[in-house]
Amino acid sequence: SAVISQKPSRDICQRGTSLTIQCQVDSQVTMMFWYRQQPGQSLTLIATANQGSEATYESGFVIDKFPISRPNLTFSTLTVSNMSPEDSSIYLCSVEAAGLTDTQYFGPGTRLTVL
Amino acid sequence: QKEVEQNSGPLSVPEGAIASLNCTYSDRVSQSFFWYRQYSGKSPELIMSIYSNGDKEDGRFTAQLNKASQYVSLLIRDSQPSDSATYLCAVKRNQGGKLIFGQGTELSVKP
Repeated sequence: SAVISQKPSRDICQRGTSLTIQCQVDSQVTMMFWYRQQPGQSLTLIATANQGSEATYESGFVIDKFPISRPNLTFSTLTVSNMSPEDSSIYLCSVEAAGLTDTQYFGPGTRLTVL
Repeated sequence: QKEVEQNSGPLSVPEGAIASLNCTYSDRVSQSFFWYRQYSGKSPELIMSIYSNGDKEDGRFTAQLNKASQYVSLLIRDSQPSDSATYLCAVKRNQGGKLIFGQGTELSVKP
């Protein structure tokens, strides 16, 4: 499986500011995804990060709030913009490599607290 | 109806017992099924994937799939306290598609 790292691992931010989360993979992968896990909840997909084109957002998530970049096959960023306390969550990057299986592996996550 | 449903638990079993975790899904065209384990404060880690009807065994873990009943289960034999975690069932339609997660079942294995 791929080795996935995320930065920062955690942060405490003020309301109204923005935070960019980075996801780095040690090998080229076809698919990269961003999930949110709110306290005590399961995982919800925010968007699929597409290499070289705009991300594909799920219902309830918009590009202005969660802009995503994916400049190459090993790296992606998620920005949480104009944050409010409701954005306090764990943000997780996941990847799926091309091949015989369609398994997704998760990064360690970024724990965000908005005051 | 939620797309993927699990009993939230907590499910408590004694050490050495079999833990049975269940999951149902609503999308009949789903092709791939996964069980992830998530320890508190950690990210999900894959335990099992299953694609065909029947059983798939890996060590102490057995995944069972019944597409006709739209039902997936995970059995953990000889449960250990280290198995105490939240178990997430996830379903996807096709390769490259998105994972749909259930709410997770919290498992507690008592020494």
